Amino acid sequence: QKEVEQNSGPLSVPEGAIASLNCTYSDRGSQSFFWYRQYSGKSPELIMSIYSNGDKEDGRFTAQLNKASQYVSLLIRDSQPSDSATYLCAVNLGAGGTSYGKLTFGQGTILTVHP
Amino acid sequence: KAGVTQTPRYLIKTRGQQVTLSCSPISGHRSVSWYQQTPGQGLQFLFEYFSETQRNKGNFPGRFSGRQFSNSRSEMNVSTLELGDSALYLCASSLGTADYGYTFGSGTRLTVV
Repeated sequence: QKEVEQNSGPLSVPEGAIASLNCTYSDRGSQSFFWYRQYSGKSPELIMSIYSNGDKEDGRFTAQLNKASQYVSLLIRDSQPSDSATYLCAVNLGAGGTSYGKLTFGQGTILTVHP
Repeated sequence: KAGVTQTPRYLIKTRGQQVTLSCSPISGHRSVSWYQQTPGQGLQFLFEYFSETQRNKGNFPGRFSGRQFSNSRSEMNVSTLELGDSALYLCASSLGTADYGYTFGSGTRLTVV
């Protein structure tokens, strides 16, 4: 089992729809979770961070965390063609010293929003 | 506020050579992490430095090394380059805890021929 696993893509949604991206992780003690967006040929850009169970909203983006199920998701509402990118789930696996500065990434989900 | 700066942006090296990459973090950030990104393996953690000390290390051979200076700038070095070292090398900076996330630089594209 991979330490951080994302739902297989690619994911294609029409403009204006909700895109749902999912991620599971292996270490129950993990405390910090991130979603990055990476456009082709560019570096990852942090779009959401979440640390507590529940939902966190920022504009059109909502991150959801369920530590009991070891599950984190990202919802993108009113999807736009400019949202087309690879979305990376990243986790500070474990807690304390073992996780310092170390993000473990999922393999990424390619999202395409078509007009 | 300036972002994370990586130099050079592109490098072409020959097998067996060594290479040094540089990363200047966001002002005030004391933690610098390094990652390798390849199409096959995705993003993999190399190591992390905080206040000139390596706090964490990934599963890479000893040919990969790094250091951090007192001004928080960091360098990574790869010796005896192999074709498989061709990748995008990314550094990320943070305040030192995960509370504010990690910001990536634009990366250095290394090609080994």
